[in-house]
Amino acid sequence: GENVEQHPSTLSVQEGDSAVIKCTYSDSASNYFPWYKQELGKRPQLIIDIRSNVGEKKDQRIAVTLNKTAKHFSLHITETQPEDSAVYFCAASSRENYGQNFVFGPGTRLSVLP
Amino acid sequence: DTGVSQDPRHKITKRGQNVTFRCDPISEHNRLYWYRQTLGQGPEFLTYFQNEAQLEKSRLLSDRFSAERPKGSFSTLEIQRTEQGDSAMYLCASSLVSGGRAYNEQFFGPGTRLTVL
Repeated sequence: GENVEQHPSTLSVQEGDSAVIKCTYSDSASNYFPWYKQELGKRPQLIIDIRSNVGEKKDQRIAVTLNKTAKHFSLHITETQPEDSAVYFCAASSRENYGQNFVFGPGTRLSVLP
Repeated sequence: DTGVSQDPRHKITKRGQNVTFRCDPISEHNRLYWYRQTLGQGPEFLTYFQNEAQLEKSRLLSDRFSAERPKGSFSTLEIQRTEQGDSAMYLCASSLVSGGRAYNEQFFGPGTRLTVL
């Protein structure tokens, strides 16, 4: 089955700096990769996703890149703000496995210091 | 609020008791998922439904766990003979899958936090 690893587990940056979170996956059949943000005590919320036919996707300060050959994808947050502080989860999903449920990484706790 | 709702939000029970959680998905969503999340970890898939049919169950789902979605709307997750290891946040999510589109965003509920004493 799919296995998703995520690094780093914690990340602290100064406000205005960039943050990068990396994930690797094991199942070459995975072809959909969402990123969720979970603030303390709140539900996970989708912030960006990428499909396997695309190498990069950007939405304002957030971007995701995908390298299918190496089986890794990354989340990039530029001009970080204190409200970006949260736990970020990457996930991978395959139409062939698990009926499109997601396999999540263990999460990265991002702290943006003012 | 028209998002995914879950009830109760918190449940404290003694080991050996049965508990039941409810999830109400976004009304037009045909897929409903259950996940379990422990502290410091990402959500782990338990099971999912398409309409009323339960199509997949994780190996994590022991025979003490059962889920239903009798009318293709709300779903219940029951845990029988609870154990301390069942303590976790139980998250429900829903999505709309239609036509040729393979993937749709899963919208999560606020979760039910279970504590087994």
